[in-house]
Formats: sequence, C-alpha cells, structure tokens
Amino acid sequence: AQTVTQSQPEMSVQEAETVTLSCTYDTSENNYYLFWYKQPPSRQMILVIRQEAYKQQNATENRFSVNFQKAAKSFSLKISDSQLGDTAMYFCAFMKDTGANSKLTFGKGITLSVRP
Amino acid sequence: DTGVSQNPRHKITKRGQNVTFRCDPISEHNRLYWYRQTLGQGPEFLTYFQNEAQLEKSRLLSDRFSAERPKGSFSTLEIQRTEQGDSAMYLCASSQSAKYGYTFGSGTRLTVV
Repeated sequence: AQTVTQSQPEMSVQEAETVTLSCTYDTSENNYYLFWYKQPPSRQMILVIRQEAYKQQNATENRFSVNFQKAAKSFSLKISDSQLGDTAMYFCAFMKDTGANSKLTFGKGITLSVRP
Repeated sequence: DTGVSQNPRHKITKRGQNVTFRCDPISEHNRLYWYRQTLGQGPEFLTYFQNEAQLEKSRLLSDRFSAERPKGSFSTLEIQRTEQGDSAMYLCASSQSAKYGYTFGSGTRLTVV
C-alpha cells in the first residue's frame, strides 16, 4: 500500500516571499504520478501541479514548481512570490500508473497562511 | 462545462436516519470518485466508477454505505442508519484521464447529531 506523509501541519509566509512545502511518499511502484492540490477555506479542491515519475524534469506551473527526488521519494512544492490568495490547505497525493486503478492517496495536508 | 456539482451542500441528520447525496460529474468524464474528508485530514478514498461500473470499493465503506451510478451519468452515495462517526465532508470528483488529475466538487458536509 502507498503512503503519503506531510510532516509539517502548518506554515506561514510573508506575502511576496517564497515557501516550500514538503512531502514524502512510500511505494514499491516504479511508474506513478504525484500531485499537489490546494483547498482554500470552504472552497473546492483544485489541482496545482502534477509530476510524472518517469520524467526527470521537475514540473513548473507559473509561480508553482516542484522538486521531485525519485530515489528519496520526496516531492516538495515551492511557491514563489506568495500571494494572499495562496492561503489554503495543500495536499500532496500519489497515484499508481496501472490504468484501471486510478485512485489518489492523499497526505494529511498542510495549512499555509500568507501574511500581508 | 459547469464543473462537478454536489447536492446538498450541507446535511444535518439524526443518528439512525438514512441520507443520500448526489454528484453530477463533468459530462464527458467517464470516471467518478467518492472520497471522505474529516477535519484536519486528507481525503480518503471510498469508491470509484468507470461509466456505470463500480470498479473499486474501500474497506472504509461498511455495509451501511452504497453508491450507484446509473447510466454512467450522475452518482448517488447513500448512508443507512447514520452514526456520529459518519460526520465528515463527502467529496465527489470526476476525470476523463485520471493521470492528469481529478476535478473535485465542493462537497457535501454531513453532520450526524
């Protein structure tokens, strides 16, 4: 079974600064996908960024980038130029690449607060 | 594309009552998922449909839980004889190709009193 660990329950960052959210996972699979989801207060969860395990290049989406270390089973999210709207819970998630089995396994999440 | 719609948004019920939630996925998405999220935790997988077929069901789902997706369109999740431990946010998500991620609904918050 896969597990996803987010060991930091809360983080805080000053507006316009950079913050990194940590995530580790455990799997015996070689091919899989990793995701970061954002859940703003009382709003729906949205996809921030995804990474395919067979790609060495780290994914980037505007101010969001990841540091994917496959051997270390680490998948951190870097948010640059933090904005007030980035305040949310962030979840790291894992999905096996087996076609029929497409469920996501989530970590417990981290609450990020961006200070003005 | 109006996104994934879930109804009701909130439900308060007395212990022992039955409740049913509805999820309308994005129309072209053939995969539909139900997750449960308790306060301060990440979502936990409950069950998943590909079209009308229920392909996987979590061990978290006791016999009191049942889900359907007739005709591969909307889905319902029913909880019979609710217990206080069933209080949670129930999330529905859909996808066309899961490896690109899901689209989530806003959830149904269930409170059992």
